[in-house]
Amino acid sequence: GAVVSQHPSRVICKSGTSVKIECRSLDFQATTMFWYRQFPKQSLMLMATSNEGSKATYEQGVEKDKFLINHASLTLSTLTVTSAHPEDSSFYICSASPATGKNTEAFFGQGTRLTVV
Amino acid sequence: AQTVTQSQPEMSVQEAETVTLSCTYDTSESDYYLFWYKQPPSRQMILVIRQEAYKQQNATENRFSVNFQKAAKSFSLKISDSQLGDAAMYFCAYRREGGATNKLIFGTGTLLAVQP
Repeated sequence: GAVVSQHPSRVICKSGTSVKIECRSLDFQATTMFWYRQFPKQSLMLMATSNEGSKATYEQGVEKDKFLINHASLTLSTLTVTSAHPEDSSFYICSASPATGKNTEAFFGQGTRLTVV
Repeated sequence: AQTVTQSQPEMSVQEAETVTLSCTYDTSESDYYLFWYKQPPSRQMILVIRQEAYKQQNATENRFSVNFQKAAKSFSLKISDSQLGDAAMYFCAYRREGGATNKLIFGTGTLLAVQP
């Protein structure tokens, strides 16, 4: 099946710094990718929809200046957590589906555990 | 707006037994897709099974099968011959027809424990 790679899998950063998370579709092109946040024992909360070549669409309550999304190519989307604070510590997951065909399955990255100290 | 509801926060099953996880959803659309995803302790999301709404036949994948009741907007997952490796969080998800650009809407999840 299709593969989505997310990097890094774990990151620890200091308060006030920024951290970038990458999401790559390795064997297909994706015009749209999705970024989720997941708290322990909870469901995935959609943060934003990343659109190749255009601005991301953010869900209500998600600060766009805090969580910068760039989707510069058909295989790469990045999420940058700016001026990170301890409350940003969480598990972040990306997903994508092939742009062509009627493939309805979403493929997920391995996730990134962010710890802000 | 579409919603997905999983009313069982936790379930437990004995190894080799059968368990059914419940899911209901709300939508005004006629064409859509439903999924069950598994999230083991590694937290990697794994597709278990998918159902196209236009298909009346219930989807099956080896030990996993669904009971899709479109009129009742119900989509339950049955796991037969449960194995220790089935222990995980299970999420029911909905996606509008149209493919890659449409987001998945997840339920709150059911944590399944498998007792040896």
